[in-house]
Amino acid sequence: KAGVTQTPRYLIKTRGQQVTLSCSPISGHRSVSWYQQTPGQGLQFLFEYFSETQRNKGNFPGRFSGRQFSNSRSEMNVSTLELGDSALYLCASSTSDRGRGEQYFGPGTRLTVT
Amino acid sequence: GDSVTQMEGPVTLSEEAFLTINCTYTATGYPSLFWYVQYPGEGLQLLLKATKADDKGSNKGFEATYRKETTSFHLEKGSVQVSDSAVYFCALSLALDTGRRALTFGSGTRLQVQP
Repeated sequence: KAGVTQTPRYLIKTRGQQVTLSCSPISGHRSVSWYQQTPGQGLQFLFEYFSETQRNKGNFPGRFSGRQFSNSRSEMNVSTLELGDSALYLCASSTSDRGRGEQYFGPGTRLTVT
Repeated sequence: GDSVTQMEGPVTLSEEAFLTINCTYTATGYPSLFWYVQYPGEGLQLLLKATKADDKGSNKGFEATYRKETTSFHLEKGSVQVSDSAVYFCALSLALDTGRRALTFGSGTRLQVQP
């Protein structure tokens, strides 16, 4: 079974621009979560989508948004980019809608804002 | 709020040495516990997990036991290899009634194994 895929793997953007990142979960997984990883703040939860609905959200400004499609693929968007948005953005998928299922991560998208 | 505390790194060991990375947690409910590993330039890989007290997760020679009484989930390996050099993250997950779930991570511990 193919793993979680994320595109693109690397991005360079300028302050003020916006960016869209894509994530394809493992086949059959309906839950997709997004995390931001930076050297200073570590791994922080952005949001989780299940069946096209956002059901959990971390403490990030409204510039960060996401969506999920009927095939469970997910996108996240960051508008009005700031230098501090430079990070590795990780997507994770999970199989069960309840319980304690583990999450499987993609390789991440490295975003650099200049 | 929920939190995970890991020992500060880096941890530097010689090949075949015994490894312990300490992890303790604070949670309002009854979490599942995980160890993830991140190799340079890559995403996170699930190493092992435990979902209830006294469960022992194990994989690739690594082990961790869910200790509810001490709220701990320490990672151990009897004999490390150079290929184990990576950053290790302890994490917890709470499943709420609504089904919402998010992983809360520790700050990560870098392991360097020297030949």
